[in-house]
Amino acid sequence: EIVLTQSPGTLSLSPGERATLSCRASQSVGSTYLAWYQQKPGQSPRFLIYGASSRAPGVPDRFSGSGSGTEFTLTISRLDPEDFAVYYCQQYDTSPWQFGQGTKVEIK
Amino acid sequence: EVQLVESGGGVVRPGGSLRLSCAASGFRFDDYDMSWIRQVPGKGLEWVSNVNWNGDTTRYAESVKGRFTISRDNAKNSLYLQMNSLRAEDTAVYYCTRGPILPFPFDIWGQGTTVTVSS
Repeated sequence: EIVLTQSPGTLSLSPGERATLSCRASQSVGSTYLAWYQQKPGQSPRFLIYGASSRAPGVPDRFSGSGSGTEFTLTISRLDPEDFAVYYCQQYDTSPWQFGQGTKVEIK
Repeated sequence: EVQLVESGGGVVRPGGSLRLSCAASGFRFDDYDMSWIRQVPGKGLEWVSNVNWNGDTTRYAESVKGRFTISRDNAKNSLYLQMNSLRAEDTAVYYCTRGPILPFPFDIWGQGTTVTVSS
């Protein structure tokens, strides 16, 4: 079972700043089957990134994903007010398909 | 519009049963594997179960194995989750999701249905 650990737990930033979120896997994620999701209060998660670095349709290009193996990063280049939310990484290489515990990006 | 709509949530006593349903529309349902994912209020996401496109292959998280059964009816564009021997720790919002179907993960999510297990 692949365990995903996200850091930091909470990121306090201002609109316009850059956000860097980390996701570390307990073992290598094959074929970079690593995804990122965004969840706002009272809403379902929204799929952002697949294959570690490919944006889902309609996702703004200020969101970018990178990494391979056991280390992955989601970067939001310039935070928009609508980007303050909780972000989850998730591996879909091997069942059980685990999620990280989430990183909350909050307004400073 | 691609859409997943869950129903069937509610309040049930420990040891009881509940059947969740998910109605899919806007896409060819039998082209996709489907899954259930749950979230305890204020907590993270937990994958629960998955079924392949024709229902032949099912997968379960260890926490629900032997108690939950996933199924689908492609003629009705519907996904189901039969939950038996429910426990307090099964209390959560249950999301119906499309996927994963490589290279894509869980790309479409329903709005969720709430299950509360309480005496």
